[in-house]
Amino acid sequence: AQRVTQPEKLLSVFKGAPVELKCNYSYSGSPELFWYVQYSRQRLQLLLRHISRESIKGFTADLNKGETSFHLKKPFAQEEDSAMYYCALSPLGGNEKLTFGTGTRLTIIP
Amino acid sequence: GAVVSQHPSRVICKSGTSVKIECRSLDFQATTMFWYRQFPKQSLMLMATSNEGSKATYEQGVEKDKFLINHASLTLSTLTVTSAHPEDSSFYICSARVTGGPPEQYFGPGTRLTVT
Repeated sequence: AQRVTQPEKLLSVFKGAPVELKCNYSYSGSPELFWYVQYSRQRLQLLLRHISRESIKGFTADLNKGETSFHLKKPFAQEEDSAMYYCALSPLGGNEKLTFGTGTRLTIIP
Repeated sequence: GAVVSQHPSRVICKSGTSVKIECRSLDFQATTMFWYRQFPKQSLMLMATSNEGSKATYEQGVEKDKFLINHASLTLSTLTVTSAHPEDSSFYICSARVTGGPPEQYFGPGTRLTVT
């Protein structure tokens, strides 16, 4: 069985400060990890996936297989980053069924 | 591109009635769509995987006779909540994958169901 844990339900960070949203997973096979974001009154949208190794809106996330983590980071928080963030896992090359973490609500303090 | 719509956005129905929610991929074909349920301030819970032209795959604990899924075309999946009860009140969200594309899912805006 696969599981995604986001230990922080709420996270408040001052504008300009670094942000780190934690995500840990458990899965016996090779996982594909994603971060999805949901801005206020908007639908869930993909922020980034580990395979692409890209930076979106200044966010990056590195898959650490040793620590089974996929933390989301941004060096300088912006007010528009305030949103709900979900970490999700899918079996690599599998049926693309996503297992979501419980989410972290990020609030950027001006 | 890759837009998913849902209809209706919100619906109120009486106990014992059935309600149908549509999920459409507007600008791409989706062999596979997914149906989620989200309770207030909680994460998304996958209910079922909808496959075009075949039976849906339900997650453990989800009643297939209560939540009927039909995926009759490459752009449309429907979820019918049958004999609805107040405890079925929730936010239902669908997502779709681009056929032959990368594994990320594109989400619809959700449907708020209230059963009175």
